[in-house]
Amino acid sequence: GQNIDQPTEMTATEGAIVQINCTYQTSGFNGLFWYQQHAGEAPTFLSYNVLDGLEEKGRFSSFLSRSKGYSYLLLKELQMKDSASYLCAVLDSNYQLIWGAGTKLIIKP
Amino acid sequence: ETGVTQTPRHLVMGMTNKKSLKCEQHLGHNAMYWYKQSAKKPLELMFVYSLEERVENNSVPSRFSPECPNSSHLFLHLHTLQPEDSALYLCASSQSSGGSYNEQFFGPGTRLTVL
Repeated sequence: GQNIDQPTEMTATEGAIVQINCTYQTSGFNGLFWYQQHAGEAPTFLSYNVLDGLEEKGRFSSFLSRSKGYSYLLLKELQMKDSASYLCAVLDSNYQLIWGAGTKLIIKP
Repeated sequence: ETGVTQTPRHLVMGMTNKKSLKCEQHLGHNAMYWYKQSAKKPLELMFVYSLEERVENNSVPSRFSPECPNSSHLFLHLHTLQPEDSALYLCASSQSSGGSYNEQFFGPGTRLTVL
């Protein structure tokens, strides 16, 4: 079966750095997405990785290792507004998006 | 209006009611999706309309029926729902072109409660 694993919840301190991990087992791979979802709001696109390595976009970076079936989202200089759920999703060989259950990130002052 | 809009934002219905959820995208996309989001569970894809062709998840009960009259509008018709159908229903759209895939843009969702 297809599976995406990410931690259910993480806590970090304002101004710090946090890494949210995602491991996947899917039938084929055509890319990995990270989305951010604030409580009661729509998920919004953060990043897309299809090749191995690190993609940096401001305070957020996303890393992919296809051989390990592993990705992480790195958030730097955390702000209170970063409190949200972060969803990992993999595009399989049929171009179907397989979603993780999301990681709820709590930022404390 | 911009992006993806959904109405209503909140809906409470009894098990014998019939209601419809509406989604509209203003992005010129050619694919639209219905998702169910339950607490602490992965997003569950219910239906996809891509290039006017419907693709569905065979595990979705028949009490949910989608309608896509054109590439900008998507409906989800609900009838004789069960309390376990209470969830956030998200609509999304994307631009689908052969051999490539673009990110999905989501609407704010309809919070559905079935009594």
